[in-house]
Amino acid sequence: DAGITQSPRHKVTETGTPVTLRCHQTENHRYMYWYRQDPGHGLRLIHYSYGVKDTDKGEVSDGYSVSRSKTEDFLLTLESATSSQTSVYFCAISSGGLAGVWGSYNEQFFGPGTRLTVL
Amino acid sequence: KQEVTQIPAALSVPEGENLVLNCSFTDSAIYNLQWFRQDPGKGLTSLLLIQSSQREQTSGRLNASLDKSSGRSTLYIAASQPGDSATYLCAVISGNTGKLIFGQGTTLQVKP
Repeated sequence: DAGITQSPRHKVTETGTPVTLRCHQTENHRYMYWYRQDPGHGLRLIHYSYGVKDTDKGEVSDGYSVSRSKTEDFLLTLESATSSQTSVYFCAISSGGLAGVWGSYNEQFFGPGTRLTVL
Repeated sequence: KQEVTQIPAALSVPEGENLVLNCSFTDSAIYNLQWFRQDPGKGLTSLLLIQSSQREQTSGRLNASLDKSSGRSTLYIAASQPGDSATYLCAVISGNTGKLIFGQGTTLQVKP
């Protein structure tokens, strides 16, 4: 199994509080992703990173921010949690393709997930 | 906009049957297609990755095929077992972000 851990694994918080989720990898992969999984919507990309300090938005990025100061860590922050952010959050990693050659893109591996409940 | 559809949404079969799960996508300009397994309350386990230049991949009792021109992939499971019971997800990579676009999944139950 790919070395990916997520913390915390479960969290209950109240509306309006800030929350930070952590993804840690031991694979030295370049690319890291945050997805959320919701019934009826499946898995959707929130943010992704293509290197240290290099991040970009996914399709459901509103209300979320990310940071990547080291190759191994990718943080997802909910600045002011809302009930609509109750979800299961998954981190994923990939070594990626050769620069500019996406046809050789590699597998994505997922972490165990964080179940977040916002009351 | 790329959309991925999986049919059927749920499937129940007796142990030992060979079965096929279907995945279709609307834009044939994909880089890769990846099949995952998800057990209840768990993360996603990668089963097979098919690169855009490939037609199929095999791993044990699993065989995945890809037909880019028709926008279809199938996951074939041979001699199904109760331990195969899970939700199976397909996802495609298109565009240059490497992001996966997922189908809604097929929930498989294999009865002893």
